[in-house]
Amino acid sequence: EIVMTQSPATLSVFSGERVTLSCRASQSISSNLAWYQQKPGQAPRLLIYGASTRATGIPVRFSGSGSGTEFTLAISSLQSEDFAIYYCHQYSNWPRTFGQGTKVEIK
Amino acid sequence: EVQLVESGGGLVQPGGSLRLSCAASGFTFSSYEMNWVRQSPGKGLEWLSYISSGGGTIYYADSVKGRFTISRDNAESSLSLQMNSLRADDTGVYFCARGWRWLDPWGQGTLVTVSS
Repeated sequence: EIVMTQSPATLSVFSGERVTLSCRASQSISSNLAWYQQKPGQAPRLLIYGASTRATGIPVRFSGSGSGTEFTLAISSLQSEDFAIYYCHQYSNWPRTFGQGTKVEIK
Repeated sequence: EVQLVESGGGLVQPGGSLRLSCAASGFTFSSYEMNWVRQSPGKGLEWLSYISSGGGTIYYADSVKGRFTISRDNAESSLSLQMNSLRADDTGVYFCARGWRWLDPWGQGTLVTVSS
C-alpha cells in the first residue's frame, strides 16, 4: 500500500497570505495525484487532478505541482472561504490512499 | 446537475448488517466507475471499494474485504454497499464518489454508527 504523508498537520495563516501544503508518497506515483478541499459538515471537493490540473470551477489561486513522490498545493492569496482541510489522494495503485490532511486555519 | 445522494445509514449493533445506497442523477451512470469512501469521526478519508462501470471489476480495502460488498444497478442509476459483521471501528460517514482515478463529485455522505 502506498502511504501518503502530508505536512504540516495544521497551518495557521492570515487572509491574503500565500500558503504551500506538502504531500509525499512512499513510492513513485508519477502524476497520479489529486487534491481535495473539505469544509466542516461537507463532502470533499476536487481541486486538482493529474498533480497540476485545476478541476472545473476552481479559482486560479489554487495550483498544484510535483511528480514522483513529492507534491505541493499552493494557494496564492488565502481567502476566507479557503480555510478548510486539504487532502491529497494517490490513484496510481490499488488500494487508493489519502494523506491524513492539512488543516488551514485562521491566525 | 450531477448529483449523488447517499442513504441507509443509521445505528447498528456490533456484528450487525446495514445496506447503504447512492442515487445518481445528472449523468449517464452506466458510463462511470464508482467508489465508497469512509471518514471516521475526527479522522481522515479512507477509500473502501471500487466498482467498474459495468460491474465486472471490483476492488476492496483490506479493512472491509470479506465483510462488505459493493454492487450497482445501472438501470436504476444506483450504487450499493452491503455491510456485514460490522465493528465499532466501522463507525463513520460513508461517501459515494464517481471516478476510477480522481473522485468527482462526492455525495453528502450518510452516517453509520456501530454501537451497542
